[in-house]
Amino acid sequence: EPEVTQTPSHQVTQMGQEVILRCVPISNHLYFYWYRQILGQKVEFLVSFYNNEISEKSEIFDDQFSVERPDGSNFTLKIRSTKLEDSAMYFCASWPSGGVSSYNEQFFGPGTRLTVL
Amino acid sequence: QKEVEQNSGPLSVPEGAIASLNCTYSDRVSQSFFWYRQYSGKSPELIMSIYSNGDKEDGRFTAQLNKASQYVSLLIRDSQPSDSATYLCAVKGGGADGLTFGKGTHLIIQP
Repeated sequence: EPEVTQTPSHQVTQMGQEVILRCVPISNHLYFYWYRQILGQKVEFLVSFYNNEISEKSEIFDDQFSVERPDGSNFTLKIRSTKLEDSAMYFCASWPSGGVSSYNEQFFGPGTRLTVL
Repeated sequence: QKEVEQNSGPLSVPEGAIASLNCTYSDRVSQSFFWYRQYSGKSPELIMSIYSNGDKEDGRFTAQLNKASQYVSLLIRDSQPSDSATYLCAVKGGGADGLTFGKGTHLIIQP
């Protein structure tokens, strides 16, 4: 069964460093998402991406964040200058719909645990 | 501001009994409603989706939606210890909207 994959599973970085989190969405899906979950808190939407541009972003997704689809398979989240409060699980998700129907589920990857020291 | 509210629990249910999980949402234009299960340190796993008022059954799981009351519920019949997890209610608007999650209800099935 196709699945969303994410690398690395765990990333440790120093405050102020740049990190890139990678995702390979399910191959025939068209919409891609990043979510984060701070330990003990709810899953929060960051950004959605379609047709090589941002479709929607939350207030959390400020100028230190960027997303890119550098090739036909990878979808990346870059955090330019990490802060302690960026420590969280980051989940990538993909959605198959090619139309405007909401009637499809988002499939989540296993997540990357980011630890900022 | 879209909000999804869930009782954080823990909700403790004896093995074999019915577990009932509830969720309310604030955005009346929400169109899609999901229940995800999340084990500690793992990603959300889709359990049920529901899009129209009424009940939807899938195996031991039944999702219920009442858009007038802005209320979604999940019933788990014949609860098993392996059902012990955090259950996340998620709501979505139209198109490619991101999901809005509740904080989740921690469910414990007692053997």
